Amino acid sequence: DTGVSQDPRHKITKRGQNVTFRCDPISEHNRLYWYRQTLGQGPEFLTYFQNEAQLEKSRLLSDRFSAERPKGSFSTLEIQRTEQGDSAMYLCASSYDGTGAIYFGEGSWLTVV
Amino acid sequence: KNEVEQSPQNLTAQEGEFITINCSYSVGISALHWLQQHPGGGIVSLFMLSSGKKKHGRLIATINIQEKHSSLHITASHPRDSAVYICAVPVQGAQKLVFGQGTRLTINP
Repeated sequence: DTGVSQDPRHKITKRGQNVTFRCDPISEHNRLYWYRQTLGQGPEFLTYFQNEAQLEKSRLLSDRFSAERPKGSFSTLEIQRTEQGDSAMYLCASSYDGTGAIYFGEGSWLTVV
Repeated sequence: KNEVEQSPQNLTAQEGEFITINCSYSVGISALHWLQQHPGGGIVSLFMLSSGKKKHGRLIATINIQEKHSSLHITASHPRDSAVYICAVPVQGAQKLVFGQGTRLTINP
């Protein structure tokens, strides 16, 4: 297993366009998290899945953001009508019940111009 | 007040020096994570600890649950240790981590 993978690693988009990021967690990890990190700041929680169920969402996740994990494996994070303030790194992480250990992906950088 | 506070925010040292990064938190926790992030890169988990002390190579992490404080130490520091070090704690009753703002460490040769 190669760990948590994210795609694309970098995305530049024009304001108003939609973007989608994909996260493939470590296999057999039932928990999946999305975080957002802006320059010079620590990551901020966006949303959490246990298997395919989205159990928690941050108030940071406006109506333009949607996340799915349809089969309890990979997850997608879509941002509609992107704004410049959406420019950040979007981090995915996964873990397995009971262990507490959490594994992060390399992140997907979004630049909205 | 942030739930997780780190100090210092920036630290520059010479190769070989002993490094200490501190983390204080205001919430009750079951465990604390120390993470490493290289420029432009993702996050690597260094330690997860709930009591006492853990050691991995030149890295040592300690935690005092009563004082709500943890430290990350690096012995015989090396330029490749240059990175941002972040502590994070799980929020009670929620499946998420709250992160400190990070400590940017630069080790000069």
